[in-house]
Order: sequence, then C-alpha cells, then structure tokens
Amino acid sequence: QITLKESGPTLVKPTQTLTLTCTFSGFSLSTSRVGVGWIRQPPGKALEWLALIYWDDDKRYSPSLRSGLTIIKDTSKNQVVLTLTNMDPVDTATYYCAHTLSGGAYFDFWGQGTLVTVSS
Amino acid sequence: DIQMTQSPSSVSASVGDRVTITCRASQDISSWLAWFQQKPGKAPKLLIYAASSLQSGVPSRFSGSGSGTDFTLTINSLQPEDFATYYCQQANSFPLTFGGGTKVEIK
Repeated sequence: QITLKESGPTLVKPTQTLTLTCTFSGFSLSTSRVGVGWIRQPPGKALEWLALIYWDDDKRYSPSLRSGLTIIKDTSKNQVVLTLTNMDPVDTATYYCAHTLSGGAYFDFWGQGTLVTVSS
Repeated sequence: DIQMTQSPSSVSASVGDRVTITCRASQDISSWLAWFQQKPGKAPKLLIYAASSLQSGVPSRFSGSGSGTDFTLTINSLQPEDFATYYCQQANSFPLTFGGGTKVEIK
C-alpha cells in the first residue's frame, strides 16, 4: 500500500531556508508516470500547490514561489526533498507531500502533513 | 494561472440532505478536475477525478459532473461523516490550482 510521510523542522526563523523530506513506500519514483508533489495549507486557509517532480526528473514549480523553490528526488532512498529559501511568517503552514500519476495531476495518496512555523 | 472559484463558501445541511457544491474555472479545463474532502487536522482525501470518476473506496453518494468551466460535486443523503471542507483542483495545466473551499456544516 502507498504511504508518504513528511519530516523536517517545525520552527524556522525568517530568512532561513526550509528543507522538508518526503519519505514514501509502496511505489517507486523510477516507475513510468509516477510523480510526487508538495502542497501547503496556511492555518485556516485553502490548499496551495508548490512543486511536483516526475519519474523522469521533469520538475514543475509554482510561479509565485519559483525562485525560492527546489525539488529533488532520491530514488534509491524513496525520498523527495523540497527546499524553500528566504522563509517568511506568511510561509507558516502545514506542508503535505502527495503521490500522483502523469496524464492527470490528481493527488491520490497524501502524507499526514507537517506544520512549519516561521517566527523569530 | 487558472483561477478556481467555489460556491458557496459554506453550507449548513442536515443528515439525509442533498448538498451541491459548484466550482468554476477561469478558463476551459475540459474534464481535468478533482474534488477533495478534508476534515480538521487531516490530509485531503481524493473523492473524484477527471470531473466525474469516483476514486476507489469512495461511497457512491458522492458524484461529480461538468466540463469546460463549470463543475459540480453532489453529496446525496448526507451522512454524519461527510461534514468537512471540500476543495476542487484543476489538473489541466501548471500551475495546479485549488478552489477556496466549501465547508459543509451541521444545521
């Protein structure tokens, strides 16, 4: 069965870089059409898509955050890493990673999410 | 970017009611639309993809319809476990975008 779990710091200071890791099982990111995405949700607000990486290393980013976002995969470790530079209090949110298949970016399996607070 | 607008933002309903939520895209997205259910403190759950396809394991009281710019999620015979917030998401093009959410509350 497919599972995903996010890990990383719960508290970061403004201007710091956030690094989050998504560790998954039940699928491989070397399998055709498979992708892993990141979505965040500020407290009490709507979902916001951030980035997506596919099995062939095709990467997509949210234009509003493009310059500060990087997504990479480590197929051997079954991990996807997201980095977001120059963190700001408005980046306080629950960050989710999720599984998808190309041919329709529908997120069918999600991690439990990790709350990241940006505060000095 | 494609803007997704949901209405209403909240709805009060009773167990057994039929609830309809609409989602409008700012441009034609064909049938590239998903619906999610989210309960407090939990990750979103995929209900419907490709506008009208029921995700495996989702009860048949949930249904989706529409194409182009206008879409609908219908919950027939609302159950206690259906009180939650629902989001639409377009998968037609990047950047992927979500609607603002519709909270289904107990009347």
